[in-house]
Amino acid sequence: ETGVTQSPTHLIKTRGQQVTLRCSSQSGHNTVSWYQQALGQGPQFIFQYYREEENGRGNFPPRFSGLQFPNYSSELNVNALELDDSALYLCASSLAGAGEAFFGQGTRLTVV
Amino acid sequence: EDQVTQSPEALRLQEGESSSLNCSYTVSGLRGLFWYRQDPGKGPEFLFTLYSAGEEKEKERLKATLTKKESFLHITAPKPEDSATYLCAVYGGSQGNLIFGKGTKLSVKP
Repeated sequence: ETGVTQSPTHLIKTRGQQVTLRCSSQSGHNTVSWYQQALGQGPQFIFQYYREEENGRGNFPPRFSGLQFPNYSSELNVNALELDDSALYLCASSLAGAGEAFFGQGTRLTVV
Repeated sequence: EDQVTQSPEALRLQEGESSSLNCSYTVSGLRGLFWYRQDPGKGPEFLFTLYSAGEEKEKERLKATLTKKESFLHITAPKPEDSATYLCAVYGGSQGNLIFGKGTKLSVKP
C-alpha cells in the first residue's frame, strides 16, 4: 500500500508567478483535499476533490484552483502569487464520507 | 461557527513526567475527532479517530479520550522522541473537511 506523495518538496517563486503542486493519493482512496499551513498555525482547508469535481471549498480566492485525475491524483494551482502564499501546502487523501485523512509530507512554498 | 481550540500552545516536560493536552471544539454534527502528530517541516501523521463521547483509544504512551465538548490526549511517561506538535481536528459541519486547531508543541527533555 503506497502512501500519499507530494512533489516538489520545496519551491521558491517570485511574487506574481504561477505554481503547480502535485499529489498522488493513497492506494484505494478516492477523495483528495488540499490544506495550507502557515508557520505556527494549524492546516487551513483550501478545497476537496471527489470524482474529478470540486466537492467543497474553504475561504480561499479563485486564484487557488485544482484538478483531480481519473487515477485520483491531484494538482493545486495558484496564480498571481503573493508573499502571504508562502506556507506548507498539504495534500490529504481519504475515502468519500470518511473523515480519516492521511497526509503527504507537504510542499514548502516560498514566495519572494 | 465551527472551531477547534487547543491548549496549552506549548508544553515542556521532563522525560517520564506525564501530562495531558486539551482540545475543545464547537461543530455542528460531529462525525469524528482526530489527533495527529506533526514533526517540523513534515505532514501530519495520523494517530487516533474518536467518534462518540466516552470513547477512548490508546497507542503506546498516548491515550485519547472524548467528551461532548472536548478531547484529551494523555501522555504517560513521555520520552524525548515524543517531542512534536500535536494537532486536533474535527470532521463535521457542512463542507465535509477537517477543521484543525493550532496545535500544542510538546518538548520532552531527557
